[in-house]
Amino acid sequence: DIVMTQTPLSSPVTLGQPASISCRSSQSLIHSDGNIHLSWFQQRPGQPPRLLIYRISKRFSGVPDRFSGSGAGTDFTLKISRVEAEDVGVYYCMQATQFPHTFGQGTKLEIK
Amino acid sequence: QVQLVQSGAEVKKSGASVKVSCKASGYTFTSYHITWVRQAPGQGLEWMGWVSTYNGNTNYAQKLQGRVTMTTDTSTSTAYLELRSLRSDDTAVYYCTRRYCSPGTCYYDYWGQGTLVTVSS
Repeated sequence: DIVMTQTPLSSPVTLGQPASISCRSSQSLIHSDGNIHLSWFQQRPGQPPRLLIYRISKRFSGVPDRFSGSGAGTDFTLKISRVEAEDVGVYYCMQATQFPHTFGQGTKLEIK
Repeated sequence: QVQLVQSGAEVKKSGASVKVSCKASGYTFTSYHITWVRQAPGQGLEWMGWVSTYNGNTNYAQKLQGRVTMTTDTSTSTAYLELRSLRSDDTAVYYCTRRYCSPGTCYYDYWGQGTLVTVSS
């Protein structure tokens, strides 16, 4: 199985400041279709996961443009340009290139 | 609008079985697979497997093989997850999610609200 490793596991951030979460895969995520199926999800307390980013950098419908994704190969990053109070929660990366699809351990974003 | 509505919380004894439902609306049910993901209390997300809403094909996580069955009822646009021989470490919130695919792109866009399954000894 592909192991997804996120860092940091906890990220205290000041409101209005940027935040960055890294995700590394244990092997290449290039699918046979030539694409990399790497997504990012936000999970607020008591809520189901919410899709933010798919295929490394494509923002899902309705997601604010302060969220952005980047990366290549086995290293990927989710960035929040200016953190807002509603961004508190746990963020997960997930690979959907190879079965079983696997998630990172999650990064808890909290306000300082 | 797309909605996935799951059945209510369950409490089961060790060794019993549970069946969770996920009713879809707002789109053509047979066009997109349904995947099940679970989350133990205070833990991360675990992919369990998917079921094709088109032909019933399945792909299960290795660790659940033999205990899990995912099915669909296209007449009611409902997907089902059955887990047998329940153990305490099956205590979790179970989510269904739609796997949207278009050429070159697939992602999990809509999620059910979750169903808490508690396994007690």
